[in-house]
Amino acid sequence: NAGVTQTPKFQVLKTGQSMTLQCAQDMNHNSMYWYRQDPGMGLRLIYYSASEGTTDKGEVPNGYNVSRLNKREFSLRLESAAPSQTSVYFCASRPDRGRQPQHFGDGTRLSIL
Amino acid sequence: AQKITQTQPGMFVQEKEAVTLDCTYDTSDPSYGLFWYKQPSSGEMIFLIYQGSYDQQNATEGRYSLNFQKARKSANLVISASQLGDSAMYFCAMPHPRGSNYKLTFGKGTLLTVNP
Repeated sequence: NAGVTQTPKFQVLKTGQSMTLQCAQDMNHNSMYWYRQDPGMGLRLIYYSASEGTTDKGEVPNGYNVSRLNKREFSLRLESAAPSQTSVYFCASRPDRGRQPQHFGDGTRLSIL
Repeated sequence: AQKITQTQPGMFVQEKEAVTLDCTYDTSDPSYGLFWYKQPSSGEMIFLIYQGSYDQQNATEGRYSLNFQKARKSANLVISASQLGDSAMYFCAMPHPRGSNYKLTFGKGTLLTVNP
């Protein structure tokens, strides 16, 4: 019953370092999403992917890149980390049909010094 | 653009009492839905309940129910018989219009504290 798995759970980076956050789902979902959560801001969409090979920008894409490696995996990359990217990052996936909720991973807590 | 507003940054309730968490929305889509998620202190996002705009009755899932008032554009979450384990952040979220791959817009959340 893995669902959506995110790695790592915690990470500390220095400004300017690069980092890739990994996400994998085992529910055969086509749609996958990356959100960030900041205090008092709720969750905001960074990027999403409707299917393998497609990605699109969300509300706050600047400073991030994504890769939909295959149907299971959707990674988020910070090329040159900035303190403003300190946040909790959530990956989610969703079935295609019906009024189905998004299933979330447990999050990655990222601190950039 | 859609907008979700949760006006209560924090709420307190006594154990075993009912509590209502407010959510108002603004959308131009004639067909829409609302999700509620719970985020305990451990951090995971837990789906609670969903209501579609054309659903005839308010949604109910165990102790959770939605007080959905389309004319007021509100979809308030009602938790009956509060338990200590209900202490958490609660988020209301709306999917973007059809064809946008069900991206969610979240409110800023309400922190519920259940007192013994």
